[in-house]
Amino acid sequence: DGGITQSPKYLFRKEGQNVTLSCEQNLNHDAMYWYRQDPGQGLRLIYYSQIVNDFQKGDIAEGYSVSREKKESFPLTVTSAQKNPTAFYLCASNGVSGGQETQYFGPGTRLLVL
Amino acid sequence: ELKVEQNPLFLSMQEGKNYTIYCNYSTTSDRLYWYRQDPGKSLESLFVLLSNGAVKQEGRLMASLDTKARLSTLHITAAVHDLSATYFCAVDISIYYGGSQGNLIFGKGTKLSVKP
Repeated sequence: DGGITQSPKYLFRKEGQNVTLSCEQNLNHDAMYWYRQDPGQGLRLIYYSQIVNDFQKGDIAEGYSVSREKKESFPLTVTSAQKNPTAFYLCASNGVSGGQETQYFGPGTRLLVL
Repeated sequence: ELKVEQNPLFLSMQEGKNYTIYCNYSTTSDRLYWYRQDPGKSLESLFVLLSNGAVKQEGRLMASLDTKARLSTLHITAAVHDLSATYFCAVDISIYYGGSQGNLIFGKGTKLSVKP
C-alpha cells in the first residue's frame, strides 16, 4: 500500500529539548511539505522540499529545521528555539490522482510540551 | 498580503438542507483545493480546481471556481450527518516562489455540523 507515514502519533517535549518528527512516503513523490495546525486554525507551511538535498523555508520556519537526504524521507526537528511548539504537525507530498496533481497528507503527529 | 478567507467559520445545518461555503482569496492563483478534516484526523483531498469556471461534483458536494472574482464555493446538497467535518480551502501560490506547484495557503476552515 502506498502512502505517507508519520511517527510518532503523539510526542512529548520537555523544555529546552530538540525533538524530531518522522515523515516517510513510498509514493515516489518529489515534493514534500511540513505544516503546523493550531486548534481551530488552518494549516501554515513550515518547510518544503521540491527535490532531494534541497529545501526552502515556509511562512513559519523559525525554530524548526529539516533535511532531505532521501526522496522518501523528510524529517522535521523542532528545536528549543521554538517557544510554542504545541500543535498538530502534518507532512504532505505532491502527487497525481485521477489525472490531477494534488497534495496528500500523512496522519499527523501531535506534539505536546511537558 | 496573501490571504485566504472562508465563511462561515461555523455552520450548523439540518439534514436535508442545502448550503454554501465561500472561499475568497487575495492573490492570483491557478489552482485551488478543497479538503475535509475529521476531528483529530488528517486532511482528505476533495477537489482540485484548475481554471476559471471549473465545477466539480462528488456526491452531495459541488465545488466551483471563479478566478476573476477570486472566489470558490463548496455547495452542500441535502446534507446528511456523515458530512459533519471541517472543510478547508487552500490556494496554490507557488508561482510567487518560483516553483511549479504545491506551496499552499489555507483558509481557517469551516466547521460543519449536520443535525438530524
